Amino acid sequence: ETGVTQTPRHLVMGMTNKKSLKCEQHLGHNAMYWYKQSAKKPLELMFVYSLEERVENNSVPSRFSPECPNSSHLFLHLHTLQPEDSALYLCASSLGRANTEAFFGQGTRLTVV
Amino acid sequence: AQSVTQLDSHVSVSEGTPVLLRCNYSSSYSPSLFWYVQHPNKGLQLLLKYTSAATLVKGINGFEAEFKKSETSFHLTKPSAHMSDAAEYFCVVGLMGGDMRFGAGTRLTVKP
Repeated sequence: ETGVTQTPRHLVMGMTNKKSLKCEQHLGHNAMYWYKQSAKKPLELMFVYSLEERVENNSVPSRFSPECPNSSHLFLHLHTLQPEDSALYLCASSLGRANTEAFFGQGTRLTVV
Repeated sequence: AQSVTQLDSHVSVSEGTPVLLRCNYSSSYSPSLFWYVQHPNKGLQLLLKYTSAATLVKGINGFEAEFKKSETSFHLTKPSAHMSDAAEYFCVVGLMGGDMRFGAGTRLTVKP
């Protein structure tokens, strides 16, 4: 266990549904991240939060909406997704953003039907 | 720009034989480099990291990696493969702003 917990582990949703992914860490880390992992593609950084403020959004479609209510929790709200959004969504946290390793959750396997 | 290239998308070894997973990096400054492992349907676990201290870095599960500036390489090795080593391995470079750039991954298969 890395200390980063993601729920749910698996999610199947229709294109008109709204759902949320949750990530939780109690490691005292100040930075949290959402990554997307698709088959045959490198990990894609989606969002970065540092001290609860969003500092990076790598041109992610607006159908993905992150929320970081406090330093321990991170959400990814999903609405009107497309089948190509099916992937493994990984949450990570790190002590800071300067050359420190990230600790990853086990991911949420999302399937959009 | 900082980047990493994993030279093999798939490596297959027999149990008990050495493992070599190759990674070259590109960086305009002294980089931080990491190796992560991902077992099927699991998240990523840190194997080891290099942050400009010793060039030979020892990690968990018997893995180690050597930073070679002259070759811009950070290859991952293990003397003797175990069945449980079968997984996807990612070479990662730390970016100036503190985020990470991942390689495409190398799938390691271990044959009995």
